[in-house]
Amino acid sequence: GAGVSQSPRYKVTKRGQDVALRCDPISGHVSLYWYRQALGQGPEFLTYFNYEAQQDKSGLPNDRFSAERPEGSISTLTIQRTEQRDSAMYRCASSLVRGIGETQYFGPGTRLLVL
Amino acid sequence: DAKTTQPNSMESNEEEPVHLPCNHSTISGTDYIHWYRQLPSQGPEYVIHGLTSNVNNRMASLAIAEDRKSSTLILHRATLRDAAVYYCILRDAGYGGSQGNLIFGKGTKLSVKP
Repeated sequence: GAGVSQSPRYKVTKRGQDVALRCDPISGHVSLYWYRQALGQGPEFLTYFNYEAQQDKSGLPNDRFSAERPEGSISTLTIQRTEQRDSAMYRCASSLVRGIGETQYFGPGTRLLVL
Repeated sequence: DAKTTQPNSMESNEEEPVHLPCNHSTISGTDYIHWYRQLPSQGPEYVIHGLTSNVNNRMASLAIAEDRKSSTLILHRATLRDAAVYYCILRDAGYGGSQGNLIFGKGTKLSVKP
């Protein structure tokens, strides 16, 4: 079946612009996660949802970052007033349900470059 | 979150077993040991997890020390496709709020030689 999809796959933007990154999880998956990954580093947790409820946003770097999942399926990560330091790979993952033994399935990522 | 220590890199020959070590001396009683791997240009993928007993699945085996302060991921016969970064992660069994998030370190980059 279809895996996690993300769009766009690549995004180049100018400093100060807003960007919206989309994640389409595996159908029926309750939990959805956002991570950011710098080159040569492991993914860094940003936030997660169960259904439409944002359960933890402790990993969001600052208030320019926000995420939503209004209908409990597709999610959008928005970065306002982008800065060069926001350049990274943004990855989305979903799982059937959060808990012991949970397997997170990761998408291909969106590579963001802020000029 | 509890920390893990892994070698930065390891090399293996194709079709030989590979033992990837992970130290987690500050592990708590409610921490599960999870392994994910990330193939080049792809997102991470789940490999295996365990609490106290050794675990086996179609991808790998996980050997957990009796005191749980270390563990070893075992690939029984490495293939070229197993070349990846392997992440050892401690994950709290509590899943409310910020508990139980996957906290990735830098992992071990495994190279497999033909």
